[in-house]
Amino acid sequence: DTEVTQTPKHLVMGMTNKKSLKCEQHMGHRAMYWYKQKAKKPPELMFVYSYEKLSINESVPSRFSPECPNSSLLNLHLHALQPEDSALYLCASSQKGGTSGNTIYFGEGSWLTVV
Amino acid sequence: AQSVTQPDIHITVSEGASLELRCNYSYGATPYLFWYVQSPGQGLQLLLKYFSGDTLVQGIKGFEAEFKRSQSSFNLRKPSVHWSDAAEYFCAVENQAGTALIFGKGTTLSVSS
Repeated sequence: DTEVTQTPKHLVMGMTNKKSLKCEQHMGHRAMYWYKQKAKKPPELMFVYSYEKLSINESVPSRFSPECPNSSLLNLHLHALQPEDSALYLCASSQKGGTSGNTIYFGEGSWLTVV
Repeated sequence: AQSVTQPDIHITVSEGASLELRCNYSYGATPYLFWYVQSPGQGLQLLLKYFSGDTLVQGIKGFEAEFKRSQSSFNLRKPSVHWSDAAEYFCAVENQAGTALIFGKGTTLSVSS
């Protein structure tokens, strides 16, 4: 089973709202990722958690705040977003991070629209 | 710097015809290579991967890819395309630190009847 589950599938939020995207995997993977994907573009890495610690932040604005409560869960807290933040947000996981030969599995994504 | 190039932005293939999607990479050492497919409105699904060993790799949905070190290529092939194969295809290489994927810009596959 190579399943990464993301909720919600669709989210519409105002620029003053606070919302969260959630991601869950039960494959025993120890690395989890957030990617952002705009239409007709490849995914762009935002954050990497390795063994529940934030290991990479790709200079993402502070209005995006990741959280890894445990090894199976990954959240992305959203606050004061801009319309240009509207995109597909993909969660992913891999068995381990920081070593070569990882296979990264993606979820179905959460479509975010900021109005 | 590592990079992945997918030379074809958009390809149209007739249903039942063969398919080859091109991917070239720039990487100093032995690369870890992947092909992902993304159907409209969906996430990325792993088609296949190459880590080492046999340079012809079999994947899901009847796809295969061949790693050619001399050409720095990892082209994706399918002998007979189905209408359901219409999607966006991304080639990717793992970065040297093993922390993330470097994606090509993608190739959009359309299938005509």
